[in-house]
Amino acid sequence: DVKVTQSSRYLVKRTGEKVFLECVQDMDHENMFWYRQDPGLGLRLIYFSYDVKMKEKGDIPEGYSVSREKKERFSLILESASTNQTSMYLCASSYPQGPTEAFFGQGTRLTVV
Amino acid sequence: GNSVTQMEGPVTLSEEAFLTINCTYTATGYPSLFWYVQYPGEGLQLLLKATKADDKGSNKGFEATYRKETTSFHLEKGSVQVSDSAVYFCALSKLNTGFQKLVFGTGTRLLVSP
Repeated sequence: DVKVTQSSRYLVKRTGEKVFLECVQDMDHENMFWYRQDPGLGLRLIYFSYDVKMKEKGDIPEGYSVSREKKERFSLILESASTNQTSMYLCASSYPQGPTEAFFGQGTRLTVV
Repeated sequence: GNSVTQMEGPVTLSEEAFLTINCTYTATGYPSLFWYVQYPGEGLQLLLKATKADDKGSNKGFEATYRKETTSFHLEKGSVQVSDSAVYFCALSKLNTGFQKLVFGTGTRLLVSP
């Protein structure tokens, strides 16, 4: 079974903290993605990566950075968490050639207080 | 740019009712189209897909047909069950400078009562 695993289901952090969200996939996928999901806004792409050490900004990259040191792992970093970053964060992976489905993790619900 | 518009929810139905969730898209060229489903407390999973005009995707009794003339990909099911209660996302995928990117609609929550 394809598996995309996010390190935490729930996180509570304080404003100004540096936050790391980790994602690991076991399918040897080249592409990995970070989305945030908010009611009424659907899924919005924050960053994606198509290869180790490669990254591209998505639609809402402000306040976030990413790291991909190994093919299977893609980390989302909130440099200084703010309350408007309270959201559900979803990681996904896929093969590069399409049309191809994306496989999603279970999500991390982050609350910044 | 590329975008997906789907009907607002929630959609509330009784068990065995007919379901339609509308989805229209804007894209240049020929995107692939998807429906994803998110059950409570879980991530998204692919429900069905279609890769070219007039293709019909189907899975678990759900169907959607890729209509290029109306730029639509409406989701249908003849008889819904309580277990179908979930949030449904329409999405398109387009090659963008060499790799695939998914663009999602805002999601439609379906509530099915016994």
